[in-house]
Amino acid sequence: AQSVTQPDIHITVSEGASLELRCNYSYGATPYLFWYVQSPGQGLQLLLKYFSGDTLVQGIKGFEAEFKRSQSSFNLRKPSVHWSDAAEYFCAVGALTGGGNKLTFGTGTQLKVEL
Amino acid sequence: DAEITQSPRHKITETGRQVTLACHQTWNHNNMFWYRQDLGHGLRLIHYSYGVQDTNKGEVSDGYSVSRSNTEDLPLTLESAASSQTSVYFCASRPAGGNTQYFGPGTRLTVL
Repeated sequence: AQSVTQPDIHITVSEGASLELRCNYSYGATPYLFWYVQSPGQGLQLLLKYFSGDTLVQGIKGFEAEFKRSQSSFNLRKPSVHWSDAAEYFCAVGALTGGGNKLTFGTGTQLKVEL
Repeated sequence: DAEITQSPRHKITETGRQVTLACHQTWNHNNMFWYRQDLGHGLRLIHYSYGVQDTNKGEVSDGYSVSRSNTEDLPLTLESAASSQTSVYFCASRPAGGNTQYFGPGTRLTVL
């Protein structure tokens, strides 16, 4: 069965500092990996996704993530955090099953940005 | 613009009542999903559908049901609401052949 671990429940960074959110997955084949962001009271917005090819993927809002098969990781990074990045971030792994796509989510990392 | 909507956005109900949460998408996506979000658990899959008349159970389906009579809608029904079903519910859809799910704004359900 697939699973996702986000080891950091809360992270606090200063505005302008760099950010890395960790994500480790367990999946038997090549995974489809996603990062979503959820602002307070809002739905989930897709930041970026990895299916194949270049292991460094670029997303919206200046985020990027690197797929490392040897470490079963898909960490999210941003070189300079803005106060508006404060939100909850979810990593997810997808599987193609019978033509569909079920996502398994991590428990999320709550990001706080100090001004 | 095409979109996915959920209604109501907030609902309070009593234990034992039947509750239906609506999900409507205008993208004509074949695949639709229902998740619940709880602290410490992230999002967990309740039910999903690959097309009209198709429904499947997810990892936390007990006490919930869905029906798919058309492409646009996947209503989620709680047959007899329990306090353990207090949660935020998200609907999502995905096009056939695609790999990305798109989420609705969520419904916050409180069962007293």
